[in-house]
Amino acid sequence: AQKVTQAQTEISVVEKEDVTLDCVYETRDTTYYLFWYKQPPSGELVFLIRRNSFDEQNEISGRYSWNFQKSTSSFNFTITASQVVDSAVYFCALSEDTDKLIFGTGTRLQVFP
Amino acid sequence: NAGVTQTPKFQVLKTGQSMTLQCAQDMNHNSMYWYRQDPGMGLRLIYYSASEGTTDKGEVPNGYNVSRLNKREFSLRLESAAPSQTSVYFCASSQGGSGNTIYFGEGSWLTVV
Repeated sequence: AQKVTQAQTEISVVEKEDVTLDCVYETRDTTYYLFWYKQPPSGELVFLIRRNSFDEQNEISGRYSWNFQKSTSSFNFTITASQVVDSAVYFCALSEDTDKLIFGTGTRLQVFP
Repeated sequence: NAGVTQTPKFQVLKTGQSMTLQCAQDMNHNSMYWYRQDPGMGLRLIYYSASEGTTDKGEVPNGYNVSRLNKREFSLRLESAAPSQTSVYFCASSQGGSGNTIYFGEGSWLTVV
């Protein structure tokens, strides 16, 4: 069965600290896709990244980076030099051979000035 | 640049009342979805529609009905609202097919008293 676990319910950091949000997934498929979404305090869901199971290259986009490791079934998200605007709930999600997403329960990140 | 638009944004209902959440997308997407978000549970799929004229149950369909009116519009109806349906509802759309990115509306906050 497919499942996404975000064990960190809430993380608090001070601005400029680096922070890593963990995501562990379970799937029996060899083809699957992983996503991260951001939900700022305003409530909308913002797509951040999509990764397929055949592409294990790490991705960097500005202060954001993602580490995909199939050996540990993890797709972790790191924010470097965090800023107050990074405060949000972050969701990891998985889709297998469908276009439906299974979400983790989210990690609330609070960045204090 | 509208993307996915859902209405209303806020609604308070009395137990037993009915209401319809409206959703429209302007991205010419084939697939549309309704998710609900509850504290500590992430987002869960209520119903989805892979194409115009088709709908399928998701993880938590009880108490809801949907209509895919045309390619653009996908409505969610609560026939007899219950307090357990107090939640934030998100409409979403995607091109369809495995692994395609799903884009979300801004959410509808529904309270059933």
